[in-house]
Amino acid sequence: EAQVTQNPRYLITVTGKKLTVTCSQNMNHEYMSWYRQDPGLGLRQIYYSMNVEVTDKGDVPEGYKVSRKEKRNFPLILESPSPNQTSLYFCASSLGGAPNQPQHFGDGTRLSIL
Amino acid sequence: GENVEQHPSTLSVQEGDSAVIKCTYSDSASNYFPWYKQELGKRPQLIIDIRSNVGEKKDQRIAVTLNKTAKHFSLHITETQPEDSAVYFCAALMGYGQNFVFGPGTRLSVLP
Repeated sequence: EAQVTQNPRYLITVTGKKLTVTCSQNMNHEYMSWYRQDPGLGLRQIYYSMNVEVTDKGDVPEGYKVSRKEKRNFPLILESPSPNQTSLYFCASSLGGAPNQPQHFGDGTRLSIL
Repeated sequence: GENVEQHPSTLSVQEGDSAVIKCTYSDSASNYFPWYKQELGKRPQLIIDIRSNVGEKKDQRIAVTLNKTAKHFSLHITETQPEDSAVYFCAALMGYGQNFVFGPGTRLSVLP
């Protein structure tokens, strides 16, 4: 089954404790992306990747890091989480070197930073 | 930065009526405009998309129109059903980067 898998689905942690949210897709998609969703603000893109070893900032990259060492994986790293990063996070992927293709979203990760 | 505006923020219609959601974008180089539906507690799912070389696209009860001159695009849902109740997001692919900007969403309620 074609899917985008995020882990964990839920996480409560404390300020300053490094965390990683993993994202994996099994569709051989080239374009992958991370979003955060906050009430009234819709989805805001954090980082995206056009292919292996190619990443770029979206609209809200501050406080986040990503890496793309393999095509299927695109982890989101919070080196020193803060309460304003409490949010619902989605990973997405789409086919092709250009992103003008339908994006498939994961089920989301709800992060609470205390 | 570039932005996408979306209106209305909430919309209530009677079952069987039509619903229209409008979005405007700021980047004249944008060339791809998807629409996503998100049910409560679920992931966003693509329902229809349109590229800048097309003015209108239809898929059964759903249609999207694009006016590049005015930089706006609209989602049209006809013969609405209760299962159409959800939050709908429009998005635009920025032309010079490869990043997406989403609208803030429209909560559609279809009343039986």
